[in-house]
Amino acid sequence: DVKVTQSSRYLVKRTGEKVFLECVQDMDHENMFWYRQDPGLGLRLIYFSYDVKMKEKGDIPEGYSVSREKKERFSLILESASTNQTSMYLCASSSVIRGNYGYTFGSGTRLTVV
Amino acid sequence: DQQVKQNSPSLSVQEGRISILNCDYTNSMFDYFLWYKKYPAEGPTFLISISSIKDKNEDGRFTVFLNKSAKHLSLHIVPSQPGDSAVYFCAASVYRGADGLTFGKGTHLIIQP
Repeated sequence: DVKVTQSSRYLVKRTGEKVFLECVQDMDHENMFWYRQDPGLGLRLIYFSYDVKMKEKGDIPEGYSVSREKKERFSLILESASTNQTSMYLCASSSVIRGNYGYTFGSGTRLTVV
Repeated sequence: DQQVKQNSPSLSVQEGRISILNCDYTNSMFDYFLWYKKYPAEGPTFLISISSIKDKNEDGRFTVFLNKSAKHLSLHIVPSQPGDSAVYFCAASVYRGADGLTFGKGTHLIIQP
């Protein structure tokens, strides 16, 4: 089974702190994604990456950056955390399965910014 | 502009009956559609998908129907079980899912005993 592991289940950070959310996948997938989930808004794509050192903006990239130095690891960075970034963050990786891309999600990181 | 819409925030169904979750989309470029199930404090779990070249896909108790002319898809769960109580997300993509998924806001399905 593909495993997508997010390093922290719960985080509490202060406003203005730099925050790193880490994600590791173990199936050699090329594509990795960061989403955030908020009540009543569903999942929204922040950034994604096709390969090492490559990144693409999703629908809501403002206030975030990403890093992909190794294929298996995709980090989400909050340069200066703000209270409106309190959310559930979900990492996913994908690869082609029978012609379409199958996605596997991690368990999520619940981030609270105070 | 919301491209994937799930207009029912919640749905209550009796155990053993059929659950029907609906999803509408606006982007005619979408060619791949998926349903995910999510429990609180867990990541979404893939349920079933359908390509735009099909109008039905079945997997055990789960069936997804796609009506391209109406830009509508639905997920049927028969029979509904208590463990089906969760939030269900409809998702869609272009290029068979290469560039990420666009999600609806979710429907909270509650299975009543």
